[in-house]
Amino acid sequence: QVQLKESGPGLVQPSRTLSLTCTVSGFSLTSYGVSWVRQPPGKGLEWIAAIWSGGSTDYNSALKSRLSISRDTSKSQVLLKMNSLQTEDTAMYFCARSYVYYGFPLGYFDFWGPGTMVTVSS
Amino acid sequence: NIVLTQSPATLSVTPGESVSLSCRASQSISTSIHWYQQKSNESPRLLIKYASQSISGIPSRFSGSGSGTDFTLSINRVESEDFSIYYCQQSYSSLYTFGAGTKLELK
Repeated sequence: QVQLKESGPGLVQPSRTLSLTCTVSGFSLTSYGVSWVRQPPGKGLEWIAAIWSGGSTDYNSALKSRLSISRDTSKSQVLLKMNSLQTEDTAMYFCARSYVYYGFPLGYFDFWGPGTMVTVSS
Repeated sequence: NIVLTQSPATLSVTPGESVSLSCRASQSISTSIHWYQQKSNESPRLLIKYASQSISGIPSRFSGSGSGTDFTLSINRVESEDFSIYYCQQSYSSLYTFGAGTKLELK
């Protein structure tokens, strides 16, 4: 069955770089897109970035200068790097799947991982 | 950026009532709106795609409507398991955005 699972360091110091991994199973990264979405404690959802089935990427323009999304199809993993972390980046980080129809991303998220909590603190 | 405004922020109801949750977009987005349910300490779950299209496995009491700028998620006869937060999300722009959510709580 379709599964996504996030992994990360848990605690990151301010100004450092965050590296997150989303490991997927039950589908191919060459057929579906994967996005990262975050949620600060007690707050709403914010879309961060996506990598699509063909390897193209999209970023939240407010965060773009700090982000890099990539994938390793042989490992079924999507990687997110975010630099210059600040306390306001403290959040639950989710990865989620999107269907791609003939190369066109259908922009809804049909499966989500359980999330990984990232705390930015010295 | 396309801003989605959800109302009300909180809705207090008793089981068996039927409710409507609103999502308004800052510009016309056709039917590129999707609805999610998020229970406490869980990841979101897709309820409705493209304004009104149903999702396999989602109870039929959930339905969606609207186009352009005004959208509605309706729950027919709320059940106890429905008390959670509901988010709308747009995919008209490649910069996807979510609404702030409506909390459905027990009166």
